[in-house]
Amino acid sequence: KNEVEQSPQNLTAQEGEFITINCSYSVGISALHWLQQHPGGGIVSLFMLSSGKKKHGRLIATINIQEKHSSLHITASHPRDSAVYICAVDGTDKLIFGTGTRLQVFP
Amino acid sequence: EAGVVQSPRYKIIEKKQPVAFWCNPISGHNTLYWYRQNLGQGPELLIRYENEEAVDDSQLPKDRFSAERLKGVDSTLKIQPAELGDSAVYLCASSASGATEAFFGQGTRLTVV
Repeated sequence: KNEVEQSPQNLTAQEGEFITINCSYSVGISALHWLQQHPGGGIVSLFMLSSGKKKHGRLIATINIQEKHSSLHITASHPRDSAVYICAVDGTDKLIFGTGTRLQVFP
Repeated sequence: EAGVVQSPRYKIIEKKQPVAFWCNPISGHNTLYWYRQNLGQGPELLIRYENEEAVDDSQLPKDRFSAERLKGVDSTLKIQPAELGDSAVYLCASSASGATEAFFGQGTRLTVV
């Protein structure tokens, strides 16, 4: 079993829809990251969380330390949001990555 | 300020040939990481440097992979000889000492044919 599990693996949405991507982890962490990766591109850090909730534009990330769970929400989704979203946790001295959620938003 | 710079962006080589990737981290970042990302997977750590010292290379296939970070700034990752299974995106990241947020480069997409 992976230490970091994401769901769903693939997600298709219509423009304007509210999107949620989930991440569960099984190890002790000091922080959790949400990353965005566009096709052929590098990885961009969206959020780094250790508790509570953060918001940046249309993106919201929450984390529940007790339940070892985090969610990334996208409000009013847009085709440019199409990318792979990766959850990563700070384990002991290294990041542990989930396998990513591939999001496609259609006009 | 420039982010993490990697080159080349793309590389296609025949199997058994050598290949090298270069990474220039963000200025002042002492920690440098090399990751390999296979299609449909999350990145996998190959090696982590603190300054010029490799502090975690447990996942680096040492029979064919090597890395160096001379002077604790730029780093190169080499594969010799490359195998078909080495086809992947190789990502470099850097972070400031004591910080947990890492900044990633654009990656080098390697195709071994």
